Amino acid sequence: GENVEQHPSTLSVQEGDSAVIKCTYSDSASNYFPWYKQELGKGPQLIIDIRSNVGEKKDQRIAVTLNKTAKHFSLHITETQPEDSAVYFCAAYSGYALNFGKGTSLLVTP
Amino acid sequence: DSGVTQTPKHLITATGQRVTLRCSPRSGDLSVYWYQQSLDQGLQFLIQYYNGEERAKGNILERFSAQQFPDLHSELNLSSLELGDSALYFCASSGGTAQTGYTFGSGTRLTVV
Repeated sequence: GENVEQHPSTLSVQEGDSAVIKCTYSDSASNYFPWYKQELGKGPQLIIDIRSNVGEKKDQRIAVTLNKTAKHFSLHITETQPEDSAVYFCAAYSGYALNFGKGTSLLVTP
Repeated sequence: DSGVTQTPKHLITATGQRVTLRCSPRSGDLSVYWYQQSLDQGLQFLIQYYNGEERAKGNILERFSAQQFPDLHSELNLSSLELGDSALYFCASSGGTAQTGYTFGSGTRLTVV
């Protein structure tokens, strides 16, 4: 089945800096790659997604890039703010359900 | 409020017992997915239902079972509970396939003592 690897597991940045989280996947048939943000005590929330026919997608301060040849995709957060502190999960769809990475705990310090 | 309702929010039970977790999907969504979240394993896919029928199984133990009812709510049954079953259990729903993205509920925290 699909295997999604996510790095780093923890990331600490200063407010205003950029943060990058990287994921790799194993199933070349995967064609949908969402990113979720999970705040303490809440369920994961979809923040951005990308499909296999697109290389990059932006939504205000967040962007996602996809390299299908290398089977990796990344989340970029610019001008980070303390409220960006959360756990971020990448995922890949491969035919029936989403397979998730193990998460990145992002801490943005003022 | 995501529109996906999970009850109860917290559950404490003893080893060997059986519990039922409930999920009501977002209005109009036909698919329900169950996930287990533990600290070391992340979000593990358990099972998917679509309009009352089982569609896919992931890493679901034989002691666990689920169903989706005609009103589209779903229940996850966990039996012969072990300490290692302690985790957050999330339900998510989508309109069709997972390619449209999920909406997650706020989860049920199960503690087995």
